[in-house]
Amino acid sequence: EIVLTQSPATLSLSPGERATLSCRASQSVSSYLAWYQQKPGQAPRLLIYDASNRATDIPARFSGSGSGTDFTLTISSLEPEDFAVYYCQQRTNWITFGQGTRLEI
Amino acid sequence: QLQLQESGPGLVKPSETLSLTCTVSGGSISSSSYYWGWIRQPPGKGLEWIGNIYYTGSTYYNPSLKSRVTISVDTSKNEFSLKLRSVLAADTALYYCARFTRDGHNPNYMDVWGKGTTVAVSS
Repeated sequence: EIVLTQSPATLSLSPGERATLSCRASQSVSSYLAWYQQKPGQAPRLLIYDASNRATDIPARFSGSGSGTDFTLTISSLEPEDFAVYYCQQRTNWITFGQGTRLEI
Repeated sequence: QLQLQESGPGLVKPSETLSLTCTVSGGSISSSSYYWGWIRQPPGKGLEWIGNIYYTGSTYYNPSLKSRVTISVDTSKNEFSLKLRSVLAADTALYYCARFTRDGHNPNYMDVWGKGTTVAVSS
């Protein structure tokens, strides 16, 4: 099983600031990694797939990078609605998720 | 617009079988471009993939749950279902159904989600 480790567990920032979230895989997943956003009481929403491709209707302030074992989700300038929990997910070897990063004000 | 809706009992007794159905509307479950599947989220915790099914009936299951899980599809009703046998308190969770993008023979990413349904395992 490929284990995904996200850091930090919690990130405290303010609107307008830049957010950098990390996801590290226990073995290479090539570029087969996605990022999801989950707000309280809602289902997750796909943000980024295949490491760097924005999903449909996702704002340009969200970007993904990385390959192999190290990946980053960057939110260039935080909007109030961006404060949520973010998960990474790999599809190389079955499907597994990271434990999540809580982005809070 | 594609929508997914989970349904089923909200309470299941330990050792019994959890059964949920996901009804797909606004699109066909027989699309060759997608898998369909289930994910769960225990209270206050992260996401766990349960398994997938293609409209032809081929399935993929999480190895840690494989011995207890069956996912089936009914294309005539445009729905798919989850059965989880011999449930324990640890199976208490919010259960989501989702559409998975597809690459070759494998499910990839979850691009459309249902709202989720809470299932508690308790006597």
